[in-house]
Amino acid sequence: AQTVTQSQPEMSVQEAETVTLSCTYDTSESNYYLFWYKQPPSRQMILVIRQEAYKQQNATENRFSVNFQKAAKSFSLKISDSQLGDTAMYFCAFMKSRNNDMRFGAGTRLTVKP
Amino acid sequence: DAGVIQSPRHEVTEMGQEVTLRCKPISGHNSLFWYRQTMMRGLELLIYFNNNVPIDDSGMPEDRFSAKMPNASFSTLKIQPSEPRDSAVYFCASSQGSMNTGELFFGEGSRLTVL
Repeated sequence: AQTVTQSQPEMSVQEAETVTLSCTYDTSESNYYLFWYKQPPSRQMILVIRQEAYKQQNATENRFSVNFQKAAKSFSLKISDSQLGDTAMYFCAFMKSRNNDMRFGAGTRLTVKP
Repeated sequence: DAGVIQSPRHEVTEMGQEVTLRCKPISGHNSLFWYRQTMMRGLELLIYFNNNVPIDDSGMPEDRFSAKMPNASFSTLKIQPSEPRDSAVYFCASSQGSMNTGELFFGEGSRLTVL
């Protein structure tokens, strides 16, 4: 079974600074998909960024980037130039294949302070 | 383009009552997922469907829970009888399955409170 671990229940960062959220996972699959989702207080789950395991290049979406270390089974999210609107729960997620279910970590609550 | 639509947004009911949560996936998506979110257990996958067929219901807590997908545009999650420990936010999500990179599109969730 696949498991996703987020070891930081809560984090905070000053506005405009950079923060990194950690995620590790366990799988015996060679190809899979990894995601970071954001859940603001409105509770809507919003995709932040995705990574396909067969791609060596780290995904980037504007201020959001990942550090994907396949051998270490690590998938961290870096948020640059943090904004107040980044305050939310962030969930790391794993999907074994395109037609399969998605498993989530416990989440990290990020607070961006003015 | 409408996203995943869930109803009701909020439901308060008494223990023992039947609860039905509804979901309309994004048109053209062939996979549908039901998740439950609680403080204690986080996001748990309850069941998912591919092309209206239940694929994995191992996350359904017990026989009180049932889910159906009678057609590609509608799914229900039913709890009968409901118990206070069922209080949670229930999310429905859909995806294009093999036609996409696996991204799930979530509804806004249904917050259930069982008294």
